[in-house]
Amino acid sequence: QSALTQPPSASGSPGQSVTISCTGTSSDIGDYVSWYRQHPGKAPKLMIYEVNKRPSGVPYRFSGSKSGNTASLTVSGLQAEDEGDYYCTSYEVGDYVRFGGGTKLTVL
Amino acid sequence: EVQLLESGGGLVQPGGSLRLSCAASGFTFSSYGMSWVRQAPGKGLEGVALIYTNGRPIYADSVKGRFTISRDNSKNTLYLQMNSLRVEDTAVYYCAKDLSGYASDYWGQGTLVTVSS
Repeated sequence: QSALTQPPSASGSPGQSVTISCTGTSSDIGDYVSWYRQHPGKAPKLMIYEVNKRPSGVPYRFSGSKSGNTASLTVSGLQAEDEGDYYCTSYEVGDYVRFGGGTKLTVL
Repeated sequence: EVQLLESGGGLVQPGGSLRLSCAASGFTFSSYGMSWVRQAPGKGLEGVALIYTNGRPIYADSVKGRFTISRDNSKNTLYLQMNSLRVEDTAVYYCAKDLSGYASDYWGQGTLVTVSS
């Protein structure tokens, strides 16, 4: 199973925007990229699925996109509650889910 | 309200077995795929197994041949039978409800499995 690479950390000040990348090893990361946020000691929460769709209840400040083998999560108007670990996932036909290594987002 | 409640975790010796359960409520259990995802202490998330509505399972390479995922739709319960446990299987195990087959929209709070002698 191939790996998804995320930067270990990202940061931004309140009100700013921050983008977290997720890079796969294939030429196309696919259409089934998801993003999860996890607060310490808590279960993950789905923030984005199928590249750019938001589940009910997730603020519009969270958006997803992809280009080639890289997907991105952008958080606009950073708030303190956005701090946490963010994980990307993707699927390939015939393969199981792959998780990225996670990115720790710090709101300065 | 969707609720997922895992149970069955604990301390087990290497080579031992354990069965995890996940009691689901608040949705039509039989209509959704279900997954197990784990997180070793201080580490990232790792997909373990997925079971489709038709009962077909998929496993991560790291657990193939050792773990078995199953479901009992009459009891709204998901299971993970873990055999030949290794130290590296130590983790919090989460069960999760599938949203679209490619994402999980609800997660339990997890159950800790510790494999140690």
